[in-house]
Amino acid sequence: AQSVAQPEDQVNVAEGNPLTVKCTYSVSGNPYLFWYVQYPNRGLQFLLKYITGDNLVKGSYGFEAEFNKSQTSFHLKKPSALVSDSALYFCAVRGTTGGGNKLTFGTGTQLKVEL
Amino acid sequence: EAGVVQSPRYKIIEKKQPVAFWCNPISGHNTLYWYRQNLGQGPELLIRYENEEAVDDSQLPKDRFSAERLKGVDSTLKIQPAELGDSAVYLCASSWRDRNTEAFFGQGTRLTVV
Repeated sequence: AQSVAQPEDQVNVAEGNPLTVKCTYSVSGNPYLFWYVQYPNRGLQFLLKYITGDNLVKGSYGFEAEFNKSQTSFHLKKPSALVSDSALYFCAVRGTTGGGNKLTFGTGTQLKVEL
Repeated sequence: EAGVVQSPRYKIIEKKQPVAFWCNPISGHNTLYWYRQNLGQGPELLIRYENEEAVDDSQLPKDRFSAERLKGVDSTLKIQPAELGDSAVYLCASSWRDRNTEAFFGQGTRLTVV
């Protein structure tokens, strides 16, 4: 069975500081990894994905994520946080073998960026 | 390109009443998902379709929930009868069949059972 862990329910950071939102995964075969963001009363919005190749992937709104196979992690990062980045962030995984096209999500991390 | 469309956005019903949610996925997407999201939690898969076939419904409470995807396009999720614990946001998403493609989500239907 595939799973995702987001160990922090909430991350607080000051505007202008770098941010990291953590994610670890468990999956059969190699992983396809995704990050989504959710604003209040909205659906999930795709940010970025790791498929293969360079371990550092860049996405929307200045976000990037680093894939680490040995640590089975895919942490979301941004060099300089904005107040408007405050939202709920979800990590998700699909395996390359078994499970079909199943997409499994973590429990989410609330990011709060303060002035 | 139109996104995933869900209706209604909000629904309030009394317990034991039936309710239905509708989803129109992105044109051409083979895979359609229904997720349930409780407040402050991650989406939990209820059912996944590949075209018109339900290929993963292991998390769907089949005593009261049902779903269909006619002609492999639109989908409907039904609850009958609803219980207080069914209050949640029901999200529909769609994607191409390829595993390396992202899923696109609708805005969801917020169900409140009173």
